[in-house]
Amino acid sequence: DAGITQSPRHKVTETGTPVTLRCHQTENHRYMYWYRQDPGHGLRLIHYSYGVKDTDKGEVSDGYSVSRSKTEDFLLTLESATSSQTSVYFCAISPRTASSYEQYFGPGTRLTVT
Amino acid sequence: SQQGEEDPQALSIQEGENATMNCSYKTSINNLQWYRQNSGRGLVHLILIRSNEREKHSGRLRVTLDTSKKSSSLLITASRAADTASYFCATANTDKLIFGTGTRLQVFP
Repeated sequence: DAGITQSPRHKVTETGTPVTLRCHQTENHRYMYWYRQDPGHGLRLIHYSYGVKDTDKGEVSDGYSVSRSKTEDFLLTLESATSSQTSVYFCAISPRTASSYEQYFGPGTRLTVT
Repeated sequence: SQQGEEDPQALSIQEGENATMNCSYKTSINNLQWYRQNSGRGLVHLILIRSNEREKHSGRLRVTLDTSKKSSSLLITASRAADTASYFCATANTDKLIFGTGTRLQVFP
């Protein structure tokens, strides 16, 4: 899977608790992305990063924050989890050069908020 | 809101038949990409077509792009049971990809 891992792979948590998901890459790609996938919605972008400490919001960023202190790690935090954040979360990486726009996806994290 | 909309939402065919999926989008793009997702797995990049290209081939895959109609199609020829998956188009005009809701393809042996 293009040297990209996500942890944990599964998590069940209670409403109101903080949750942090980790994405780790060994490809040294500049761009990293967090998506959520829900039935009927496809993949929706939460946040992305274009370099260390450089992040920007996506389509569904409310309730989520991110941090990237190292090239290889991109963290997604749910400050206070809600049931509407029950979803499958995917991390993706991309070299995003002039000739390469494709993204490579991790295996996903299934999060259930009860 | 989704940029790309795939059609049909679901498609069932027999092995050996061709499968065609369509994608429509709303705004100008730099390129359009197709991805496959097997059940319970992450997405896998299949093919990219740039806005100045009209057709591209990769093995059994053929992608067309019509920027005047804001639409693309993915053709899988001589399908196999292993092609069973969901297929997504994604459009790019900045640093971000916007994905459609996908077509579920079932190929029966």
